[in-house]
Amino acid sequence: AQSVTQPDIHITVSEGASLELRCNYSYGATPYLFWYVQSPGQGLQLLLKYFSGDTLVQGIKGFEAEFKRSQSSFNLRKPSVHWSDAAEYFCAVGSMEYGNKLVFGAGTILRVKS
Amino acid sequence: DSGVTQTPKHLITATGQRVTLRCSPRSGDLSVYWYQQSLDQGLQFLIQYYNGEERAKGNILERFSAQQFPDLHSELNLSSLELGDSALYFCASSVSGSPLHFGNGTRLTVT
Repeated sequence: AQSVTQPDIHITVSEGASLELRCNYSYGATPYLFWYVQSPGQGLQLLLKYFSGDTLVQGIKGFEAEFKRSQSSFNLRKPSVHWSDAAEYFCAVGSMEYGNKLVFGAGTILRVKS
Repeated sequence: DSGVTQTPKHLITATGQRVTLRCSPRSGDLSVYWYQQSLDQGLQFLIQYYNGEERAKGNILERFSAQQFPDLHSELNLSSLELGDSALYFCASSVSGSPLHFGNGTRLTVT
């Protein structure tokens, strides 16, 4: 079965501190991996994606993620968090074999304290 | 702006009623996906259409149906609505092999 686990429901970090959001997946095909961000009342915005190649991928807004096949993980990182990063973050996995539809994790709500 | 347009933004209706949610994909995107986001179930894939044909089905109830028209816009029809159908319904579109781009969703409230 395909599944994505985001073990942290809520995370609070101080503005300027570093951030790491965890994501583990279980998938029966070659995975494509994504991180999306959702601000309250908004849709999902793509932060970054991994299809193949370099396992460290850069995204928008200063985010990056590293694909570790041996750990089935795709953790999201940011070196210095800004107050505007407060939102809910979703990890997702998909593949061409499964028609490109995505399986999402439950999300991690990020709170940024000043 | 993702380029995916969903209407209406909000919908309030009563149990037992039927509603239609509309989605216009990004220009050039042939695939449309529908997702339901609720507090207890999270983001659940409902159904995918590709160039007018159903491509994949997920956790879509029999009371729900969808279609994609020749101009590639899509509609999600929800009938015999129940309180538990209250959720945010997202449409996403993509071209083959590319990430999904999501609309801002339709918030459905069933009273």
